[in-house]
Amino acid sequence: DSGVTQTPKHLITATGQRVTLRCSPRSGDLSVYWYQQSLDQGLQFLIQYYNGEERAKGNILERFSAQQFPDLHSELNLSSLELGDSALYFCASSVSGQGVNEQFFGPGTRLTVL
Amino acid sequence: AQSVTQLGSHVSVSEGALVLLRCNYSSSVPPYLFWYVQYPNQGLQLLLKYTSAATLVKGINGFEAEFKKSETSFHLTKPSAHMSDAAEYFCAVSGSGNTGKLIFGQGTTLQVKP
Repeated sequence: DSGVTQTPKHLITATGQRVTLRCSPRSGDLSVYWYQQSLDQGLQFLIQYYNGEERAKGNILERFSAQQFPDLHSELNLSSLELGDSALYFCASSVSGQGVNEQFFGPGTRLTVL
Repeated sequence: AQSVTQLGSHVSVSEGALVLLRCNYSSSVPPYLFWYVQYPNQGLQLLLKYTSAATLVKGINGFEAEFKKSETSFHLTKPSAHMSDAAEYFCAVSGSGNTGKLIFGQGTTLQVKP
């Protein structure tokens, strides 16, 4: 158990819908990262937050948005869903926002868009 | 810009044989390098990391990796494979800047035959 929790574990929805994925980092970790894992794209970095502020952005679509709240949990919002958004979405956390620190990964949320 | 290439999407070894998973990186800044393992239907677990302290890095479960700057490589090895090592392995790089975002390779699936 990494200490990072993600809900829900599975999500099945239809095209055009909007969903919210939730992540709680390990106790004491200030930085949260979101990654997308799909068969064709592999593991892709989406976005990073540090202590409530956006720190870095990767290959995140404009239909996707995220935020980190004062209690440090984070939410990833996916809207106008398309079939291609079906993937495993991981949240990770680290003590600082810097590259030297290891990231601890949650179990992921598997999103299926029908 | 940073990138990671893992040579061989599938590697098959016999139980007790040497495991060698290859990773080459590209980075314009001194890299931090990581190996993660993913078991079926689980999140990623850190095996080991290189942060410039020592070029030979020992990790969990008997794995180790050697950082070779001249070859821009960070190959993962284990002297004797166990059935429980069957999983997907990811090499990742981050930089020394203000973000810890991980750039992952495409992954290598390790099969261990009895």
